[in-house]
Amino acid sequence: SQTIHQWPATLVQPVGSPLSLECTVEGTSNPNLYWYRQAAGRGLQLLFYSVGIGQISSEVPQNLSASRPQDRQFILSSKKLLLSDSGFYLCAWSDIPVMTFFGQGTRLTVV
Amino acid sequence: AQTVTQSQPEMSVQEAETVTLSCTYDTSENNYYLFWYKQPPSRQMILVIRQEAYKQQNATENRFSVNFQKAAKSFSLKISDSQLGDTAMYFCAFMKHDGNEKLTFGTGTRLTIIP
Repeated sequence: SQTIHQWPATLVQPVGSPLSLECTVEGTSNPNLYWYRQAAGRGLQLLFYSVGIGQISSEVPQNLSASRPQDRQFILSSKKLLLSDSGFYLCAWSDIPVMTFFGQGTRLTVV
Repeated sequence: AQTVTQSQPEMSVQEAETVTLSCTYDTSENNYYLFWYKQPPSRQMILVIRQEAYKQQNATENRFSVNFQKAAKSFSLKISDSQLGDTAMYFCAFMKHDGNEKLTFGTGTRLTIIP
């Protein structure tokens, strides 16, 4: 069966520090992969999606970047975090049309 | 671009009662899907129910059903015989049928089931 691993679960980082959040999917091949962010009191907003290795589409301009070095690995990064980057980040995947599955999420607090 | 609006930030209902959560959306697309996701305190996003826009019949999953009004662009969720475990944030979401599977979410409704 397919599973998704996202880590870390919580993270506290100082302003200006780098960021790396990792997500891996097991039990499937060539999935679509997504990074969503949920700011406090708001819905989820799509940040990046990828339909294949090295293929990244950005949905909103921001301080973050994404990479897909392997078929089932999706990484969210930042060179210098801002206070506004705080939020709950969710990795998601889809290999069946119209079915999206979410990871457990990472709560990022930038201080 | 698509937008999804949930006008009820919070709702509460007594256990075993029925509650309806509202959602409206705006799109120029004709082929799309609508979803309700549940986010309990664990923050895990769980799919509750899905509706294909080309289907007139309303989707039903056990105690959960939707009222899909395509012309009015309305997609409400009805929870019957509510249970304490239904306490969660509920998000309405839209997906254009283009193979990219990108979801556009509303801002959510916090539902509390009162014992």
